[in-house]
Amino acid sequence: NAGVTQTPKFQVLKTGQSMTLQCAQDMNHNSMYWYRQDPGMGLRLIYYSASEGTTDKGEVPNGYNVSRLNKREFSLRLESAAPSQTSVYFCASSENPWTGGDYGYTFGSGTRLTVV
Amino acid sequence: EDKVVQSPLSLVVHEGDTVTLNCSYEVTNFRSLLWYKQEKKAPTFLFMLTSSGIEKKSGRLSSILDKKELFSILNITATQTGDSAVYLCEGNEKLTFGTGTRLTIIP
Repeated sequence: NAGVTQTPKFQVLKTGQSMTLQCAQDMNHNSMYWYRQDPGMGLRLIYYSASEGTTDKGEVPNGYNVSRLNKREFSLRLESAAPSQTSVYFCASSENPWTGGDYGYTFGSGTRLTVV
Repeated sequence: EDKVVQSPLSLVVHEGDTVTLNCSYEVTNFRSLLWYKQEKKAPTFLFMLTSSGIEKKSGRLSSILDKKELFSILNITATQTGDSAVYLCEGNEKLTFGTGTRLTIIP
């Protein structure tokens, strides 16, 4: 039972390059999320998808785009990477966005992104 | 703007001690409050609280919510070195996390 799988685990980009972070869940969850985590800042929501076919901005959406490809997959795209986007990115999923279901949110293992 | 504030920011105690971690929140449309434990990698779910005064318990960990005073506490009794982690709380509906409490248990 894989849970939430994120790829890649590590990435180094040059300023201005683009890339897509992939996320897939096998728990049949309706809702998926992208967070970034910076030292001293906690987890901040970038975008979320309450259900297949919908996406909404979170607290820090600037510089990112998302696609909910199907119920399983939710990707995060950086069109033109900037050093301020250096962070650890977590994908998560849950039964629904408002209560997280009985088991809260399940997180992927994270992607450590460095933009130089 | 939704806000979740955790205290203390860090805590160092000896093995066997009991600790209480605090989470206060201001969210516009409260639905639930969740606690997570984060060791080296991803957060792992501990508790979800939706109703005031009902304690959730799992082994040595317990948590309770006060919706009137807008806060929650996480208690850990008889702490062990494996409890060392960052503990995060999250308030719905805007999926807002606090910055966490870093708990260190000294053997």
